[in-house]
Amino acid sequence: GAGVSQSPSNKVTEKGKDVELRCDPISGHTALYWYRQRLGQGLEFLIYFQGNSAPDKSGLPSDRFSAERTGESVSTLTIQRTQQEDSAVYLCASSLGVGRYEQYFGPGTRLTVT
Amino acid sequence: GENVEQHPSTLSVQEGDSAVIKCTYSDSASNYFPWYKQELGKRPQLIIDIRSNVGEKKDQRIAVTLNKTAKHFSLHITETQPEDSAVYFCAASGIYNTDKLIFGTGTRLQVFP
Repeated sequence: GAGVSQSPSNKVTEKGKDVELRCDPISGHTALYWYRQRLGQGLEFLIYFQGNSAPDKSGLPSDRFSAERTGESVSTLTIQRTQQEDSAVYLCASSLGVGRYEQYFGPGTRLTVT
Repeated sequence: GENVEQHPSTLSVQEGDSAVIKCTYSDSASNYFPWYKQELGKRPQLIIDIRSNVGEKKDQRIAVTLNKTAKHFSLHITETQPEDSAVYFCAASGIYNTDKLIFGTGTRLQVFP
C-alpha cells in the first residue's frame, strides 16, 4: 500500500517568509509525528498527534513553529518568519497508535532558507 | 527528558567483518528501542527493534541486545556487505505513554570491499 507522503519535496524560501509543509500518513495510522534533521545530524522530535488527543508539542523549538492535523488524516507544519537556522529536512512519520510503536517515515521536505 | 547517546560516530570495517554500534539511554521508563538505517538522501528505514521485555532479537545478519539494568542497547551486524554502508540511528521511546522517538546522533558505517 501507499506509504507516508510529503510535499513539497524541496522548498527554497527567503528569510522572513512563512512556509507550510504537508504530510499524508499511511491510511489507518492514528499517530503522526514530525521530526527535523539538520545536515549531517540526527533527528529531533518536534510534535506528535494521536487521534483526537491534545498534541505533544514539547519538541517545537519556538512559537514560530506550529502544526495542525484534522482527525486522522493530513497534517501541516507551518513555520512563520523563517530563519536560516530553520534550514533542514523535515520528516513526517506515522504509526498505528500508542503502543504500536513502529514508525514509518516519509521522504521528507528539504527546506532551504536564504 | 530522555537522552540517547550513540557511539561510535563513524565506523569502517572490511567486507565480511562484524560491526557493533552502541547506545545508552537515560530514562529507565523507556520501553521500545528501534534501529533505523538511512542511506544518503533517503528516508530512515526501520531495520530492527526490541521491546523491554526481551534481551535479544535477531533477524538474519542483524541482531540487537538490550541491557535494561545498564540502560544500554547495541546493534550487531555480521558478515557485513558494501550495501550495509549507511548512517544508523538508534532511538528510544515509550515513556509517559507517548511514542515519540528520541534519537541518537547516528553512526556512519562504511564497509570496504
